[in-house]
Amino acid sequence: AQKITQTQPGMFVQEKEAVTLDCTYDTSDQSYGLFWYKQPSSGEMIFLIYQGSYDEQNATEGRYSLNFQKARKSANLVISASQLGDSAMYFCAMREGGGYQKVTFGTGTKLQVIP
Amino acid sequence: GAGVSQSPSNKVTEKGKDVELRCDPISGHTALYWYRQRLGQGLEFLIYFQGNSAPDKSGLPSDRFSAERTGESVSTLTIQRTQQEDSAVYLCASSLRLAGVRYFGAGTRLSVL
Repeated sequence: AQKITQTQPGMFVQEKEAVTLDCTYDTSDQSYGLFWYKQPSSGEMIFLIYQGSYDEQNATEGRYSLNFQKARKSANLVISASQLGDSAMYFCAMREGGGYQKVTFGTGTKLQVIP
Repeated sequence: GAGVSQSPSNKVTEKGKDVELRCDPISGHTALYWYRQRLGQGLEFLIYFQGNSAPDKSGLPSDRFSAERTGESVSTLTIQRTQQEDSAVYLCASSLRLAGVRYFGAGTRLSVL
């Protein structure tokens, strides 16, 4: 089974609108962490936001928020007020409790912001 | 430097040649990771270092791949006798400790002709 599933290979959003990028995960560990990274065309991976499995509140970082629904095993990324510079690939990733050295990444969602 | 630095940014090589990819992690970061990203795909974990030790090499695709790290600084990923299927972007990341958030370099785009 896929550890991290991103079902949206591509998304479009109008500038200034909000967009939600989906991510579901599969783990039997009680302790885990969820990450979102942005990869612009330059190839660099940029850390956006982190949610720990024991965190009770959804993580927020500026225009980014993580909609964490533990029972559904989903960790969707919400970007508010989209900007043209948000156009990029977005990867969801998970670190599981015992395997600190390995983080499993999803296949990514390509977001294109339309002016 | 301020971020993770990788060199070269682009490498074109002929099938059968050896290549060396370099990664300079963020100063003070003890953990270092190598990933591969094939066109249109997600990241594939290759290997990690804690200090200069690599406890788990099972992610390396074949024995043509090897990696080493000097102390808690520079790491090199070496691919011997390159094949066309080795063409990918190779990303390096570092974190303050093993459980920490990983910060990625811009990657090396390897093209094997």
